[in-house]
This record gives sequence, structure tokens and C-alpha cells, in this order.
Amino acid sequence: EAGVAQSPRYKIIEKRQSVAFWCNPISGHATLYWYQQILGQGPKLLIQFQNNGVVDDSQLPKDRFSAERLKGVDSTLKIQPAKLEDSAVYLCASSARQGLDTQYFGPGTRLTVL
Amino acid sequence: AQRVTQPEKLLSVFKGAPVELKCNYSYSGSPELFWYVQYSRQRLQLLLRHISRESIKGFTADLNKGETSFHLKKPFAQEEDSAMYYCALNRVAGGSEKLVFGKGTKLTVNP
Repeated sequence: EAGVAQSPRYKIIEKRQSVAFWCNPISGHATLYWYQQILGQGPKLLIQFQNNGVVDDSQLPKDRFSAERLKGVDSTLKIQPAKLEDSAVYLCASSARQGLDTQYFGPGTRLTVL
Repeated sequence: AQRVTQPEKLLSVFKGAPVELKCNYSYSGSPELFWYVQYSRQRLQLLLRHISRESIKGFTADLNKGETSFHLKKPFAQEEDSAMYYCALNRVAGGSEKLVFGKGTKLTVNP
């Protein structure tokens, strides 16, 4: 089966600019996750979708970050405006269900904010 | 607070030597723990979960509730085991379940 797809793989922007990331989960997976992984840290969950509804966005900086999952399939994560501290790898993952089901990760998007 | 601690940022062993990657957790409920691995230039992937009590690629991990630990062990390390290893806890709260990851341990197996 095809894995989780993400684009772009790399992005360099200047602070205060906006950026968007795209994720296509594994076909049939109801749960989609966006993680932020800062250098030297483990992944930190930003937002979790169950189909097209938000299950958890408690760690999403909502003043600048937004995410949507229209039609319960693809998802986009947007940052507007970006700050230097947003430099990180943004990982998308999907699972058949939340909880103990295995999460399958995409290759990530490496964002550098200058 | 629920958290996962991996005390070693780096761990280096020789091929054929035993290896143990440490993971300690803090959780008020019944913990569900995982080990994820990321090989060089590959995606983060599940290695094993405690609920399955399985051995994957020679690795095992036993949940010790008394010591709140979930250390990953392998009796004879191989060079291909070199990777980043992340311990993760499934946190259940407010109707959602999410993984809380440790900071990771970079394992290097030297020839």
C-alpha cells in the first residue's frame, strides 16, 4: 500500500511570511495527525483529526497555525505569519483509528524560517 | 503531568554487544507504551508496543510499572540497528488519545 505522502519536502521562508504543508494519508485511514519536531526533540502533536473533525488541537498555536481536513482525506497545515521558532520538521501521520493503532508517518517537511 | 524521559541522548556500542535504551514514564493511568525507530533517511516507524509482548528484529521491551520504565533491549547489537529510537506513551484524556514522545536516543553500533 502507498504510504503517507507529504509536500513540499523542504521549505525556506523569511519570518512573517506564510507557508502551507500538504498531507495525503494512507487510503482508508480515518485518523490523521500533524506533529512538529524541533531539532533534538521528539515529535509533538499539533492537531489530530478523526475523519474531517478535530479531536485534539490543544497544542496548536491557534494565533498563527491552522489546519483543515476537507472531505476527511487530505489535509493542509498553514502557518501565518511564521516565526523563527517555527523552524522544525512537520510530520504527518495516519492510522486506521486513534489510540493503539499503528501510526504511519510521512517523510516530513523541513521548514527553515530565516 | 504525563511525560516520557529518555535519559541518554547518545548511546554507542560495539557490534555483538548487548544494548539497552532507557525509557521512563510518568502517567496516572494504565500506560500503553511504544518504541518508534527512525533509520537514516527513512521515515519514523513503529518498532514494537508493550501490549503485544513481541520481539521485533531481536528487540524486546518489558513494562515495569514499579519502576515506571519501558527499556528497550537487544542481546547482540548489529550495525543495522544504528538509528534514532523514540519511546512513546499513549495518553488518554478528554475523549482523545495521543502519543507523547520522548526526546529520543541516537544509537550507534560500531563495527
